[in-house]
Amino acid sequence: DAKTTQPTSMDCAEGRAANLPCNHSTISGNEYVYWYRQIHSQGPQYIIHGLKNNETNEMASLIITEDRKSSTLILPHATLRDTAVYYCIVRVPYTDKLIFGTGTRLQVFP
Amino acid sequence: ETGVTQSPTHLIKTRGQQVTLRCSSQSGHNTVSWYQQALGQGPQFIFQYYREEENGRGNFPPRFSGLQFPNYSSELNVNALELDDSALYLCASSPGTPNEQFFGPGTRLTVL
Repeated sequence: DAKTTQPTSMDCAEGRAANLPCNHSTISGNEYVYWYRQIHSQGPQYIIHGLKNNETNEMASLIITEDRKSSTLILPHATLRDTAVYYCIVRVPYTDKLIFGTGTRLQVFP
Repeated sequence: ETGVTQSPTHLIKTRGQQVTLRCSSQSGHNTVSWYQQALGQGPQFIFQYYREEENGRGNFPPRFSGLQFPNYSSELNVNALELDDSALYLCASSPGTPNEQFFGPGTRLTVL
């Protein structure tokens, strides 16, 4: 199972873009990259996922490098409600098994 | 559309006891996964059920067992509770791979 490496914590000013990096250098060709976030004491919330191409939805953008060894989650205009732990996950193919790391604690400040 | 629900919210047990946690999947979802989240850690995969059959298991001992029912609701059973079993137990459902998983709010289990 591929593992991910993320910074322990990051800060971001409200209204600015938050760029959260993730390394997954051992990822296999058929493994998806998923991002979830977890606000204190709640269940994780799905944000976005991708395989090879960059993806965008109403919450965020996901940029995956061409060699697929790293990715960046972008929150274009961070708000105080985006303060959470963000998990970069590589999903095991053909299953719903998600392997969580310790994530990045994002603090958005006024 | 009802989301994933879990019961109970909180539970206190003593070492050696048995516990059953329940999860109601989101409508139309035939896959359910259970995770254990210790304080300060990311969730750890316990096992997954697809159409009432176990379909993958993480590194947890056999005293962790589960069931999925025809209506796709699910139970997590833990026998012979240990102090280290104290954690937030999360249930997640999905309509099948590679779709997103929807997590419930979790059950906080404390073992004394």
